[in-house]
Amino acid sequence: QSALTQPRSVSGSPGQSVTISCTGTSSDVGSYKYVSWYQQHPGKAPKLMIYDVSQRPSGVPDRFSGSKSGNTASLTISGLQAEDEADYYCCSYAGSYTPLVFGTGTKVTVL
Amino acid sequence: QITLKESGPTLVKPTQTLTLTCTFSGFSLNTSGVGVGWIRQPPGKALEWLALIYWNDDSRYSPSLKSRLTITMDTSKNQVVLTLTNMDPVDTATYYCAHRKPYYYTMDVWGQGTTVTVSS
Repeated sequence: QSALTQPRSVSGSPGQSVTISCTGTSSDVGSYKYVSWYQQHPGKAPKLMIYDVSQRPSGVPDRFSGSKSGNTASLTISGLQAEDEADYYCCSYAGSYTPLVFGTGTKVTVL
Repeated sequence: QITLKESGPTLVKPTQTLTLTCTFSGFSLNTSGVGVGWIRQPPGKALEWLALIYWNDDSRYSPSLKSRLTITMDTSKNQVVLTLTNMDPVDTATYYCAHRKPYYYTMDVWGQGTTVTVSS
């Protein structure tokens, strides 16, 4: 099972929107509506931001939204804020014998 | 409130076996749908899923590490233990345990992580 592919980095100015892509295959992202997104600040544990493609856990700002088309999932951060600067990882269900596969990670920089 | 905390050695020698313990509170592994997983992150690199154990003692492993991994649970102690045999310097990483949102395919609460270095 190969890691999902994400861009190494994206950047935007405060207030702008950025979108991070997460490309998998028909064996993971393309077959299931179970994509999650995690935010990780330096030296900290990952934090769940989106699950089931587009669902936000309680407490996650609605600036964060998720979507999926075919084998590619996306995370959009609208109204970018300084505290959004972090690494972001996607994660997909890939079947009962390989429940989770993570993406390669994307560094979001707020200019 | 769900919390998890990893514990274990910070330094292991090559070829040794690593044993990590995840001690949790706020949920029970006797509850249907619950699971606990392990994920690691080498320095400066991406997250890698390792293993997952479900409330019914069913377990799943990363295909690339399956031969070296074992995950077990002790419901009386609220602990999940991960062992990784034949450690190598490439196994140097921060190891996280995390709670599986019941009946969902996502890990919703993570421990703080424990850093393990493999060196002679």
